[in-house]
Amino acid sequence: GENVEQHPSTLSVQEGDSAVIKCTYSDSASNYFPWYKQELGKRPQLIIDIRSNVGEKKDQRIAVTLNKTAKHFSLHITETQPEDSAVYFCAARDHYNQGGKLIFGQGTELSVKP
Amino acid sequence: DGGITQSPKYLFRKEGQNVTLSCEQNLNHDAMYWYRQDPGQGLRLIYYSQIVNDFQKGDIAEGYSVSREKKESFPLTVTSAQKNPTAFYLCASTEPLQGGNYGYTFGSGTRLTVV
Repeated sequence: GENVEQHPSTLSVQEGDSAVIKCTYSDSASNYFPWYKQELGKRPQLIIDIRSNVGEKKDQRIAVTLNKTAKHFSLHITETQPEDSAVYFCAARDHYNQGGKLIFGQGTELSVKP
Repeated sequence: DGGITQSPKYLFRKEGQNVTLSCEQNLNHDAMYWYRQDPGQGLRLIYYSQIVNDFQKGDIAEGYSVSREKKESFPLTVTSAQKNPTAFYLCASTEPLQGGNYGYTFGSGTRLTVV
């Protein structure tokens, strides 16, 4: 089945710097890749997603890139702010099999220092 | 709660006891999921259901059971066979059909502790 690896597990940046989180997946049939942000004690919230027919997607300070050949995708946060501090999860879904379930990476704890 | 309600928020289980976690959604989603979250291990899939009266095991189904008698409801029972149930449990739903945004909507979670 699908396996998603996420790096790094922790990331500390200064306010205003950029942050990059990387994920790799194993199943070439995967075609949907969401990113979730989870603040302490709260539910994960979808922040951006990308489908396999697109190479890059942006939403204000957040962008996601996808390299299908290499089977990896990345989250880019620019001009980081203290409120960006949270745990971020990537995920992959094989839409046509496996019931549409998402397989999650292990998470990255991002800390933005003022 | 964004259309998905999990209850209770906190739950304490004694040794040898079965407990049931509730998950209700009013989003008219066909698919529902249960994940377990432990520190440093991300979200691991316990069970999922694509349609009423049907469900499949996820990666860590041992010691858990589910039912899907109604579209809106997908309760999870943690049985006494689950030896390490202390974790944060998240329920999610989605519409797995083509088109539209089919990311998950998560409930607010239940934190289960063995006492």
